[in-house]
Amino acid sequence: AQTVTQSQPEMSVQEAETVTLSCTYDTSESDYYLFWYKQPPSRQMILVIRQEAYKQQNATENRFSVNFQKAAKSFSLKISDSQLGDAAMYFCALGNSGNTPLVFGKGTRLSVIA
Amino acid sequence: GAVVSQHPSRVICKSGTSVKIECRSLDFQATTMFWYRQFPKQSLMLMATSNEGSKATYEQGVEKDKFLINHASLTLSTLTVTSAHPEDSSFYICSARVSQAGQPQHFGDGTRLSIL
Repeated sequence: AQTVTQSQPEMSVQEAETVTLSCTYDTSESDYYLFWYKQPPSRQMILVIRQEAYKQQNATENRFSVNFQKAAKSFSLKISDSQLGDAAMYFCALGNSGNTPLVFGKGTRLSVIA
Repeated sequence: GAVVSQHPSRVICKSGTSVKIECRSLDFQATTMFWYRQFPKQSLMLMATSNEGSKATYEQGVEKDKFLINHASLTLSTLTVTSAHPEDSSFYICSARVSQAGQPQHFGDGTRLSIL
């Protein structure tokens, strides 16, 4: 079975500072993909960043980057220059190459302090 | 691209009513769609996976006669909550994905269902 663990139920960060959200996963698949989704108070699920497991290079999308440690099965999200609009629930998710649904972690609620 | 439209966004109705929620992929063909339920401050709970033209696969504990799913085309899936009761009140969110490996799931904006 595939699992995703987010060990930080809540995190906070000062505006303009950097924060890292943790995620670990477990899978027996060799071909898989990892995602971070953001869910603001509006409850819309927004894709933040995506990482293919076969790629060693960490994905980056503007202020968002990941630290993908395949051997440790770790996939943390770093948010740089945090903005008030970054306040949301963040979900880490694991998918494989088939049509099976993503496996989500329980989420981390991020607060941004002005 | 990859827009998923979910309608309605908010439903308030009396107990015993059946409610239909639509999920459409607007600019791509979704061979697979997923329906989730989300309780306050919790993660998404997968209810079922629907593939176009075939019966949905329900997760354990989800009543298939209560939550009817139809995926009649590559762009439309519907969830009907039959004879809804107050305990069915929740946030329901659909998701769609193209069949290409490694593609993310794209989500609708969700439906807040309140049964009085």
